[in-house]
Amino acid sequence: KQEVTQIPAALSVPEGENLVLNCSFTDSAIYNLQWFRQDPGKGLTSLLLIQSSQREQTSGRLNASLDKSSGRSTLYIAASQPGDSATYLCAVVSGNTPLVFGKGTRLSVIA
Amino acid sequence: GAGVSQSPSNKVTEKGKDVELRCDPISGHTALYWYRQSLGQGLEFLIYFQGNSAPDKSGLPSDRFSAERTGGSVSTLTIQRTQQEDSAVYLCASRLSRGAGYGYTFGSGTRLTVV
Repeated sequence: KQEVTQIPAALSVPEGENLVLNCSFTDSAIYNLQWFRQDPGKGLTSLLLIQSSQREQTSGRLNASLDKSSGRSTLYIAASQPGDSATYLCAVVSGNTPLVFGKGTRLSVIA
Repeated sequence: GAGVSQSPSNKVTEKGKDVELRCDPISGHTALYWYRQSLGQGLEFLIYFQGNSAPDKSGLPSDRFSAERTGGSVSTLTIQRTQQEDSAVYLCASRLSRGAGYGYTFGSGTRLTVV
């Protein structure tokens, strides 16, 4: 059974800092990995999708990497801003099973 | 529409009543998923529809929960005889295809409170 772990559970950084969020998964036979953002009381916004054949994806200040063989992904946020404060969720698709989520990292960027 | 639409956005119901939650997926998306997010918990898979195939109901927590998808589009999640532990945010997602290049798009959710 696929399990997804995100470390740290919570993170507080000053504005402008670069930061890395970590995600690990137990079954490396994944189809893809997706990073989401969730603001309090809101739904999920997709940030980046990495297919199993890819090593990384970039969107603006965000860069996600995937090391499938070791079961790890990182989300790098450059020059963090207070508007980046949210919970970041990592999720993977394996075989025919639906998306399996980690419990998220709650990020606070302090002005 | 442009995104996944869920209604109502909030629902307060009395314990023991039945509730129906609605999801309108993105037009043309063949796969539709329901998840539940309880306070302080992660996202829990409930049920999944793919095209005309039989739904994957493996995540439904009890037989009080059921869902249908009509005409391969709109889906309704029904909870019968609601209990306080059913209070959660219910999220719906759709996906164009099951291929590796296709991601999930989520709606804003329905916040269900059972009093």
